[in-house]
Amino acid sequence: DAGVIQSPRHEVTEMGQEVTLRCKPISGHNSLFWYRQTMMRGLELLIYFNNNVPIDDSGMPEDRFSAKMPNASFSTLKIQPSEPRDSAVYFCASTIGTGSETQYFGPGTRLLVL
Amino acid sequence: AQRVTQPEKLLSVFKGAPVELKCNYSYSGSPELFWYVQYSRQRLQLLLRHISRESIKGFTADLNKGETSFHLKKPFAQEEDSAMYYCAPRKTSYDKVIFGPGTSLSVIP
Repeated sequence: DAGVIQSPRHEVTEMGQEVTLRCKPISGHNSLFWYRQTMMRGLELLIYFNNNVPIDDSGMPEDRFSAKMPNASFSTLKIQPSEPRDSAVYFCASTIGTGSETQYFGPGTRLLVL
Repeated sequence: AQRVTQPEKLLSVFKGAPVELKCNYSYSGSPELFWYVQYSRQRLQLLLRHISRESIKGFTADLNKGETSFHLKKPFAQEEDSAMYYCAPRKTSYDKVIFGPGTSLSVIP
Protein backbone atom coordinates (compact mmCIF):
# COMPACT_ATOMS: atom_id res chain seq x y z
CA ASP A 1 0.00 0.00 0.00
CA ALA A 2 1.36 3.40 -0.97
CA GLY A 3 -0.16 5.01 2.07
CA VAL A 4 -2.02 8.28 1.96
CA ILE A 5 -1.39 10.05 -1.32
CA GLN A 6 -1.48 13.80 -1.71
CA SER A 7 -1.12 15.95 -4.78
CA PRO A 8 0.44 18.19 -5.74
CA ARG A 9 3.46 17.97 -3.46
CA HIS A 10 4.33 21.59 -4.08
CA GLU A 11 2.18 24.45 -5.26
CA VAL A 12 3.18 28.01 -5.96
CA THR A 13 0.43 30.39 -6.90
CA GLU A 14 -0.42 34.05 -6.89
CA MET A 15 -2.72 35.76 -4.50
CA GLY A 16 -6.32 35.57 -5.63
CA GLN A 17 -5.96 32.30 -7.50
CA GLU A 18 -7.91 29.18 -6.69
CA VAL A 19 -5.94 26.32 -5.19
CA THR A 20 -7.12 22.71 -5.02
CA LEU A 21 -5.34 20.13 -2.91
CA ARG A 22 -6.09 16.45 -3.34
CA CYS A 23 -5.94 13.45 -1.09
CA LYS A 24 -6.41 9.73 -1.54
CA PRO A 25 -6.76 7.94 1.81
CA ILE A 26 -5.62 4.42 2.52
CA SER A 27 -8.08 1.90 1.17
CA GLY A 28 -10.46 0.73 3.87
CA HIS A 29 -10.00 3.80 6.05
CA ASN A 30 -13.25 5.61 6.67
CA SER A 31 -12.03 8.74 8.45
CA LEU A 32 -10.10 11.49 6.74
CA PHE A 33 -8.52 14.58 8.26
CA TRP A 34 -7.13 17.78 6.75
CA TYR A 35 -4.46 19.65 8.71
CA ARG A 36 -2.47 22.81 8.17
CA GLN A 37 1.05 23.15 9.53
CA THR A 38 2.87 26.44 10.05
CA MET A 39 5.78 27.46 12.22
CA MET A 40 3.65 29.93 14.11
CA ARG A 41 0.59 27.80 14.77
CA GLY A 42 1.88 24.25 14.59
CA LEU A 43 -0.46 21.54 13.35
CA GLU A 44 -4.09 22.66 13.09
CA LEU A 45 -7.01 20.41 12.31
CA LEU A 46 -9.10 22.03 9.61
CA ILE A 47 -11.83 19.48 9.01
CA TYR A 48 -12.45 15.79 9.26
CA PHE A 49 -14.79 13.37 7.54
CA ASN A 50 -16.23 10.08 8.66
CA ASN A 51 -17.77 7.85 6.01
CA ASN A 52 -17.49 10.75 3.55
CA VAL A 53 -19.54 13.06 5.75
CA PRO A 54 -17.98 16.20 7.25
CA ILE A 55 -18.14 15.81 11.02
CA ASP A 56 -16.31 18.87 12.30
CA ASP A 57 -15.27 21.82 10.17
CA SER A 58 -14.77 24.24 13.04
CA GLY A 59 -11.10 24.49 12.20
CA MET A 60 -11.67 25.82 8.71
CA PRO A 61 -10.32 29.37 8.92
CA GLU A 62 -12.91 31.13 6.79
CA ASP A 63 -15.28 30.82 3.90
CA ARG A 64 -12.45 30.87 1.42
CA PHE A 65 -11.70 27.30 2.49
CA SER A 66 -13.91 24.39 1.49
CA ALA A 67 -13.47 20.63 1.55
CA LYS A 68 -15.30 17.80 -0.10
CA MET A 69 -15.22 14.05 -0.01
CA PRO A 70 -17.31 12.76 -2.92
CA ASN A 71 -16.36 9.13 -2.27
CA ALA A 72 -14.34 6.97 0.06
CA SER A 73 -11.16 7.25 -1.97
CA PHE A 74 -10.89 10.95 -2.70
CA SER A 75 -11.04 14.30 -0.96
CA THR A 76 -10.24 17.87 -1.95
CA LEU A 77 -9.40 21.00 -0.03
CA LYS A 78 -10.00 24.17 -1.98
CA ILE A 79 -8.92 27.71 -1.23
CA GLN A 80 -10.61 30.41 -3.26
CA PRO A 81 -9.31 33.08 -3.41
CA SER A 82 -5.91 32.26 -1.96
CA GLU A 83 -3.96 34.74 0.16
CA PRO A 84 -0.28 34.87 1.20
CA ARG A 85 -1.19 33.96 4.78
CA ASP A 86 -2.49 30.63 3.48
CA SER A 87 1.08 29.59 2.77
CA ALA A 88 1.69 26.43 4.78
CA VAL A 89 2.06 22.69 4.50
CA TYR A 90 -1.29 20.96 4.22
CA PHE A 91 -1.53 17.38 5.41
CA CYS A 92 -4.15 14.79 4.84
CA ALA A 93 -4.45 11.82 7.21
CA SER A 94 -6.69 8.80 7.29
CA THR A 95 -7.62 6.17 9.80
CA ILE A 96 -10.17 3.50 10.57
CA GLY A 97 -12.93 5.08 12.62
CA THR A 98 -12.73 8.48 14.22
CA GLY A 99 -11.44 7.08 17.46
CA SER A 100 -8.46 5.26 16.08
CA GLU A 101 -5.30 6.42 17.78
CA THR A 102 -3.11 5.95 14.75
CA GLN A 103 -3.61 8.47 12.01
CA TYR A 104 -1.69 7.79 8.83
CA PHE A 105 -0.39 10.96 7.31
CA GLY A 106 0.30 11.83 3.72
CA PRO A 107 3.51 13.54 2.64
CA GLY A 108 1.85 16.95 2.63
CA THR A 109 1.40 19.68 0.06
CA ARG A 110 3.68 22.68 0.47
CA LEU A 111 1.70 25.73 -0.62
CA LEU A 112 3.23 29.10 -1.30
CA VAL A 113 0.95 31.99 -2.16
CA LEU A 114 2.80 34.99 -3.51
CA ALA B 1 -11.58 23.74 28.09
CA GLN B 2 -9.54 20.89 26.71
CA ARG B 3 -6.04 22.03 25.98
CA VAL B 4 -2.61 20.59 25.33
CA THR B 5 0.52 22.68 25.68
CA GLN B 6 4.10 22.10 24.71
CA PRO B 7 5.95 25.03 26.25
CA GLU B 8 9.07 24.76 24.10
CA LYS B 9 8.80 25.54 20.43
CA LEU B 10 12.49 24.80 19.96
CA LEU B 11 14.78 22.60 22.01
CA SER B 12 18.47 22.04 21.39
CA VAL B 13 20.57 19.46 23.19
CA PHE B 14 24.00 17.99 22.64
CA LYS B 15 24.42 14.45 21.44
CA GLY B 16 24.57 12.11 24.40
CA ALA B 17 22.76 14.50 26.72
CA PRO B 18 19.39 13.67 28.23
CA VAL B 19 16.36 15.16 26.54
CA GLU B 20 12.90 15.91 27.84
CA LEU B 21 10.09 17.29 25.72
CA LYS B 22 7.35 18.67 27.89
CA CYS B 23 3.65 18.19 27.40
CA ASN B 24 0.85 19.30 29.68
CA TYR B 25 -2.81 18.74 29.14
CA SER B 26 -6.05 19.89 30.67
CA TYR B 27 -8.60 17.20 30.00
CA SER B 28 -11.21 15.92 32.37
CA GLY B 29 -11.61 12.23 33.01
CA SER B 30 -8.98 9.79 31.85
CA PRO B 31 -7.59 10.90 28.52
CA GLU B 32 -5.27 8.83 26.41
CA LEU B 33 -2.02 10.37 25.25
CA PHE B 34 0.31 9.82 22.36
CA TRP B 35 3.47 11.24 20.92
CA TYR B 36 3.81 11.73 17.19
CA VAL B 37 7.10 12.50 15.42
CA GLN B 38 7.97 14.03 12.07
CA TYR B 39 11.51 13.49 10.85
CA SER B 40 12.91 15.67 8.10
CA ARG B 41 11.36 14.75 4.75
CA GLN B 42 9.27 12.01 6.33
CA ARG B 43 5.62 11.70 7.20
CA LEU B 44 4.23 12.47 10.60
CA GLN B 45 3.89 9.16 12.41
CA LEU B 46 2.90 7.74 15.74
CA LEU B 47 5.89 7.34 18.07
CA LEU B 48 4.38 5.90 21.20
CA ARG B 49 1.23 5.66 23.29
CA HIS B 50 0.96 5.90 27.04
CA ILE B 51 -1.28 2.85 27.30
CA SER B 52 1.36 0.41 26.17
CA ARG B 53 4.12 1.87 28.36
CA GLU B 54 6.55 1.10 25.62
CA SER B 55 10.00 2.41 24.82
CA ILE B 56 10.43 3.34 21.19
CA LYS B 57 13.83 4.38 19.84
CA GLY B 58 14.91 4.86 23.43
CA PHE B 59 12.06 7.27 24.20
CA THR B 60 9.65 6.79 27.06
CA ALA B 61 6.75 8.87 28.32
CA ASP B 62 4.97 8.55 31.63
CA LEU B 63 1.50 9.84 32.16
CA ASN B 64 1.44 11.84 35.39
CA LYS B 65 -2.18 12.43 36.23
CA GLY B 66 -1.35 14.55 39.26
CA GLU B 67 0.67 17.00 37.21
CA THR B 68 -1.40 16.39 34.06
CA SER B 69 1.79 15.87 32.14
CA PHE B 70 3.08 13.43 29.55
CA HIS B 71 6.69 14.39 29.05
CA LEU B 72 8.77 12.53 26.48
CA LYS B 73 12.21 11.51 27.67
CA LYS B 74 15.36 9.90 26.39
CA PRO B 75 18.51 9.47 28.48
CA PHE B 76 21.00 9.93 25.65
CA ALA B 77 20.00 11.97 22.62
CA GLN B 78 21.19 10.92 19.16
CA GLU B 79 21.50 13.06 16.06
CA GLU B 80 18.79 11.07 14.35
CA ASP B 81 16.36 12.16 17.05
CA SER B 82 16.27 15.63 15.53
CA ALA B 83 12.66 16.08 14.48
CA MET B 84 9.36 17.75 15.24
CA TYR B 85 7.49 16.14 18.12
CA TYR B 86 3.78 16.50 18.79
CA CYS B 87 2.02 15.57 21.97
CA ALA B 88 -1.45 14.32 21.10
CA PRO B 89 -4.17 13.59 23.64
CA ARG B 90 -7.67 12.38 23.12
CA LYS B 91 -10.50 12.56 25.59
CA THR B 92 -11.62 8.95 25.30
CA SER B 93 -10.89 6.02 23.06
CA TYR B 94 -13.87 7.10 20.95
CA ASP B 95 -12.59 10.61 20.27
CA LYS B 96 -10.18 11.88 17.70
CA VAL B 97 -6.64 12.74 18.59
CA ILE B 98 -5.82 16.45 19.03
CA PHE B 99 -2.30 17.65 18.31
CA GLY B 100 -0.33 20.03 20.48
CA PRO B 101 1.67 22.92 19.01
CA GLY B 102 4.80 20.81 18.64
CA THR B 103 8.43 21.03 19.74
CA SER B 104 11.28 21.05 17.28
CA LEU B 105 14.17 19.06 18.70
CA SER B 106 17.66 19.66 17.41
CA VAL B 107 20.45 17.37 18.56
CA ILE B 108 23.85 19.02 18.18
CA PRO B 109 26.69 16.66 17.26
